[in-house]
Amino acid sequence: EAGVAQSPRYKIIEKRQSVAFWCNPISGHATLYWYQQILGQGPKLLIQFQNNGVVDDSQLPKDRFSAERLKGVDSTLKIQPAKLEDSAVYLCASSSGQSNEKLFFGSGTQLSVL
Amino acid sequence: SQQGEEDPQALSIQEGENATMNCSYKTSINNLQWYRQNSGRGLVHLILIRSNEREKHSGRLRVTLDTSKKSSSLLITASRAADTASYFCATLTSGSRLTFGEGTQLTVNP
Repeated sequence: EAGVAQSPRYKIIEKRQSVAFWCNPISGHATLYWYQQILGQGPKLLIQFQNNGVVDDSQLPKDRFSAERLKGVDSTLKIQPAKLEDSAVYLCASSSGQSNEKLFFGSGTQLSVL
Repeated sequence: SQQGEEDPQALSIQEGENATMNCSYKTSINNLQWYRQNSGRGLVHLILIRSNEREKHSGRLRVTLDTSKKSSSLLITASRAADTASYFCATLTSGSRLTFGEGTQLTVNP
């Protein structure tokens, strides 16, 4: 079974530029999550989708972050414009049910904002 | 606010020794999950314990949950160098958000 795929693996941009991350969850997984992990900290939920609907985006900085999940499968997370404090690893995860149990994570995209 | 907090922040042991990590949380939970993260990789689910359970085992892992003290512990027995990683507890509340702690960095020296 293929795991959660994310790209790119690394991204370096200057502040005020825009960037997009892509995620392909495990086939058949209805729930998709985007987490932000700052160095030395635990992952922080940005947004959670159930199929193509948003379940929780209360911690998403909506003035600069946006996310979509087309057709309930792939997802993209965008930052525009980026700030220095957005430097982090962006992790995508998926799970098969609605109960937030046993999440499967991708390897993440490491973003550096200069 | 942080729901789960791991203790210690860092732990260094010799191969073959046992490693114990603790997690404390603030509000009532539905379940508590432990994840491992190797350097530069995503998190891997290790074990889940529900609020009505007190202890679970999975291979060399033993997890306990004390809801009266709002705490959990993860024991890794007979540790190996390959166990070197960061370990995170994650709590699921009735609001259905899974919240991760700050993690414990475990180093197992060969």
